[in-house]
Amino acid sequence: EADIYQTPRYLVIGTGKKITLECSQTMGHDKMYWYQQDPGMELHLIHYSYGVNSTEKGDLSSESTVSRIRTEHFPLTLESARPSHTSQYLCASSGQGASYEQYFGPGTRLTVT
Amino acid sequence: GENVEQHPSTLSVQEGDSAVIKCTYSDSASNYFPWYKQELGKGPQLIIDIRSNVGEKKDQRIAVTLNKTAKHFSLHITETQPEDSAVYFCAASMPTGGYNKLIFGAGTRLAVHP
Repeated sequence: EADIYQTPRYLVIGTGKKITLECSQTMGHDKMYWYQQDPGMELHLIHYSYGVNSTEKGDLSSESTVSRIRTEHFPLTLESARPSHTSQYLCASSGQGASYEQYFGPGTRLTVT
Repeated sequence: GENVEQHPSTLSVQEGDSAVIKCTYSDSASNYFPWYKQELGKGPQLIIDIRSNVGEKKDQRIAVTLNKTAKHFSLHITETQPEDSAVYFCAASMPTGGYNKLIFGAGTRLAVHP
């Protein structure tokens, strides 16, 4: 079983608030990812990281930002939450080199009112 | 661009029947094809995967087949059980600028009725 954690699991917050979604993994994986999952189930990559101090934007444009200061930690921040940010956010990680397997955390369900 | 199409979007079967989910991909450079199962309120869980040098792989009641010429791969679940009810995602991986990108299908909601 993959050791990747996300907190909080559920968050309801008002418009304009700053929020940070936490993601951490204990597998020593160098690559980490954030996906946004819409109600229609599709997974959209919004950010990824090759390793410490490396971050890139994914396929789906997002107003969120990420940082990677430590290998095990990949937080996602929204400076000013809006109702359009309401979604499920999933964090994943994968291992060294050519290892393709991505392991997902349990997700954070964000609702912005 | 890269694309993975998944069918059907919903699938309903009786307990004990088989279920088949099919995916096609667009990039011939794809060489890794995982399948994920997502239960309600949880993140996707990797259940089986196949690499491009293999045509078929089996793990107990689940199997995956790959046809590289036709660029399609399928998930087969035999002797389905109610606990198999979930959303299933296929994906195709392709090396992109030094990291291994996964392109996901849109998902199949499987319901197994007792």
